Amino acid sequence: DQQVKQNSPSLSVQEGRISILNCDYTNSMFDYFLWYKKYPAEGPTFLISISSIKDKNEDGRFTVFLNKSAKHLSLHIVPSQPGDSAVYFCAALHQAGTALIFGKGTTLSVSS
Amino acid sequence: KAGVTQTPRYLIKTRGQQVTLSCSPISGHRSVSWYQQTPGQGLQFLFEYFSETQRNKGNFPGRFSGRQFSNSRSEMNVSTLELGDSALYLCASSLGGIGTGTAYGYTFGSGTRLTVV
Repeated sequence: DQQVKQNSPSLSVQEGRISILNCDYTNSMFDYFLWYKKYPAEGPTFLISISSIKDKNEDGRFTVFLNKSAKHLSLHIVPSQPGDSAVYFCAALHQAGTALIFGKGTTLSVSS
Repeated sequence: KAGVTQTPRYLIKTRGQQVTLSCSPISGHRSVSWYQQTPGQGLQFLFEYFSETQRNKGNFPGRFSGRQFSNSRSEMNVSTLELGDSALYLCASSLGGIGTGTAYGYTFGSGTRLTVV
């Protein structure tokens, strides 16, 4: 049973436009959410996170929104750049946990 | 500061063999977690070690095991390799605190690409 779901395997966006990556979760015990970016043959790199007590967190071009009632979060990248092309993973953490639970990832392609 | 170092980067093994992968965490980090990445399943948690003790374990068979040394370096071992064990194995290190405040502190290595033939 997949607790963190990224239902869109891929997303294509033009440079300068907004990229919106979505993530849904089923476990209400998750209280911290993270987004990672991954290039082939490299480990995931931390992008941005959000605590369940917030509904928005912003860091430069990246903003994460959390809708607890819908158990849904999204990552907005504005403006998108070709260098943003990578696989993006959504991950969640239990209140007292040490294991990151990942979605299967969304491949973002930004064309110039 | 040096990042998380995983060795070897690439490995080819035959079915039935065993393999040992190594992970050196960031200096000062006491927790090491291991993840398996496959095309179909994404990243799946294997286990986590803190101060030489396994603190958390994922849903993998007993063929997958690990340990952590007093210097926080960790190894994972897979015995009786199967074709399905072919994957990218990633380790992540952190200071080791539990709770949301430390979640951002998970730093991943570049991984070991294991191919079982």
